[in-house]
Amino acid sequence: EAQVTQNPRYLITVTGKKLTVTCSQNMNHEYMSWYRQDPGLGLRQIYYSMNVEVTDKGDVPEGYKVSRKEKRNFPLILESPSPNQTSLYFCASRSGAATNEKLFFGSGTQLSVL
Amino acid sequence: RKEVEQDPGPFNVPEGATVAFNCTYSNSASQSFFWYRQDCRKEPKLLMSVYSSGNEDGRFTAQLNRASQYISLLIRDSKLSDSATYLCVAGFNNAGNMLTFGGGTRLMVKP
Repeated sequence: EAQVTQNPRYLITVTGKKLTVTCSQNMNHEYMSWYRQDPGLGLRQIYYSMNVEVTDKGDVPEGYKVSRKEKRNFPLILESPSPNQTSLYFCASRSGAATNEKLFFGSGTQLSVL
Repeated sequence: RKEVEQDPGPFNVPEGATVAFNCTYSNSASQSFFWYRQDCRKEPKLLMSVYSSGNEDGRFTAQLNRASQYISLLIRDSKLSDSATYLCVAGFNNAGNMLTFGGGTRLMVKP
């Protein structure tokens, strides 16, 4: 089944403790992206990747890192999480760069930073 | 000003009603437009793309007005299962190929 898999689904952590949210897709998609969703603000893009070893900042990249060593994986790294990073996070992928292609989302990660 | 603006609602409608949502976008260079549906705390799912000529999928009709920079979604004969948040999305094929999401409009269909 074609899908984007994120883990974990829920995560509670404390300020400053490094964490990684994993994202994997099995559709051989070139484009992958991370979003955060906060009430009233919609989804905002954190980072995106057009292909292996090609990553770039989205609208809200501060406090986050990503890597794209393999085509299928695009982990989101919070080196020193802070309470303002408490949010619902979604990984997404699509086959190519064009925005008119369907975007597939993972099931989300609810992160709470205490 | 948000790049993509939607009325957050909620829109409370009875089953069988027709309901319409509008959305405005500020970037006149936007090239692709979509409506996504999102159930509570779950991932957004593509409902339909929006074309200048308008498009229909069953009970759902989407329209794009480039001159006024707004997108609409019409739902006819509302079902209880239509209760969800509807996200308006505009895409711009720049170097980042980014999609901009509206904050969503919440629909609640009551028996």
